[in-house]
Amino acid sequence: KQEVTQIPAALSVPEGENLVLNCSFTDSAIYNLQWFRQDPGKGLTSLLLIQSSQREQTSGRLNASLDKSSGRSTLYIAASQPGDSATYLCAVELNSGYALNFGKGTSLLVTP
Amino acid sequence: KAGVTQTPRYLIKTRGQQVTLSCSPISGHRSVSWYQQTPGQGLQFLFEYFSETQRNKGNFPGRFSGRQFSNSRSEMNVSTLELGDSALYLCASRPFPGGRLDEQFFGPGTRLTVL
Repeated sequence: KQEVTQIPAALSVPEGENLVLNCSFTDSAIYNLQWFRQDPGKGLTSLLLIQSSQREQTSGRLNASLDKSSGRSTLYIAASQPGDSATYLCAVELNSGYALNFGKGTSLLVTP
Repeated sequence: KAGVTQTPRYLIKTRGQQVTLSCSPISGHRSVSWYQQTPGQGLQFLFEYFSETQRNKGNFPGRFSGRQFSNSRSEMNVSTLELGDSALYLCASRPFPGGRLDEQFFGPGTRLTVL
């Protein structure tokens, strides 16, 4: 069974800092990995999708990397802003067309 | 292009009742998945539908069921509600299961409270 772990569970940083969120998974034979953002009481917003053949993806201030051999992914947020405050979830798809296995998320607070 | 829509957004029911939730996928998306989110268990997969057929099912009791219509809209039903069914129910869509376009897009969710 695929286990997905996200560390830390919560993080508070001052505005402007660069930060890294971590995601680890137990089965390295994944098909893809997706990072989401969730605001309180809301649905999930897709941030980045990394296919298993890729090493990283970038979108604006966000960069996600994938190391399948070690079972790890990181989400790098540059120059954090208060609007980045949310819960960040990582999810892996074990095989093509399968369900997503989610971590419990990292709750991020960026203070002005 | 409109995103994934879910109705209703909020529901309050009592134990023993049944409930039906609705999800309209992004136009052109034919795969719809349902997830349950609770503070204790996080996000858990319920089932996925594609072309009106259930493709995958998570580890939930038979009280949880779903269906998909020819226009790709999907409904999920929970019968004999229990207090533990209180959760945020999220629907996600993608063009089809697997393939290059694997990114899943989620709706705002339906918040179900069982009293």
